[in-house]
Amino acid sequence: AQTVTQSQPEMSVQEAETVTLSCTYDTSESDYYLFWYKQPPSRQMILVIRQEAYKQQNATENRFSVNFQKAAKSFSLKISDSQLGDAAMYFCAYRIVLGTYKYIFGTGTRLKVLA
Amino acid sequence: DVKVTQSSRYLVKRTGEKVFLECVQDMDHENMFWYRQDPGLGLRLIYFSYDVKMKEKGDIPEGYSVSREKKERFSLILESASTNQTSMYLCASSSPGTGNYEQYFGPGTRLTVT
Repeated sequence: AQTVTQSQPEMSVQEAETVTLSCTYDTSESDYYLFWYKQPPSRQMILVIRQEAYKQQNATENRFSVNFQKAAKSFSLKISDSQLGDAAMYFCAYRIVLGTYKYIFGTGTRLKVLA
Repeated sequence: DVKVTQSSRYLVKRTGEKVFLECVQDMDHENMFWYRQDPGLGLRLIYFSYDVKMKEKGDIPEGYSVSREKKERFSLILESASTNQTSMYLCASSSPGTGNYEQYFGPGTRLTVT
């Protein structure tokens, strides 16, 4: 069965510091997408960053980057220069490219940013 | 920008009532999804639809049904609401044709069943 595991229910980071959120997944597929979504308090969930499994290069979006380790089935999110607006729930998600429309989500990590 | 809207942000219903949650997207997306979000459980898929009038069960379809009569609208129906259906409900849409598989989410409906 395909599963996504986020082992850190809650994390804290000091403003301007760097934090890494962990995500592991289990799959026998070779072609898939991985995502990190952000859900700010009382606001809409938005995509932070996306990684295609066939691309070896780690994705980056401004202060957000991932460490994608395909063999280890690990997909961590690094947030650099943390800002108060980064405080949110972060969900890791997975979707295979072919065969199903389903996305599998982790249980989420609540990130607190301390001023 | 893609916009996904949901009919209510907050809803309070009584046990046994029939409840309709509506979702509308404005970007002509083929795929639409209903999730339930509970603390510690993440997002769990209730139903999804890959085209008009087409639907498939997700991981927790019991007690729910859906309707998709028009491409832009996907409704979630609680046939007889129960207290264990108190939750946050999220609608999402996506288009495989874009090649990026990003899901766009609505703001959510927090449903309380008393």
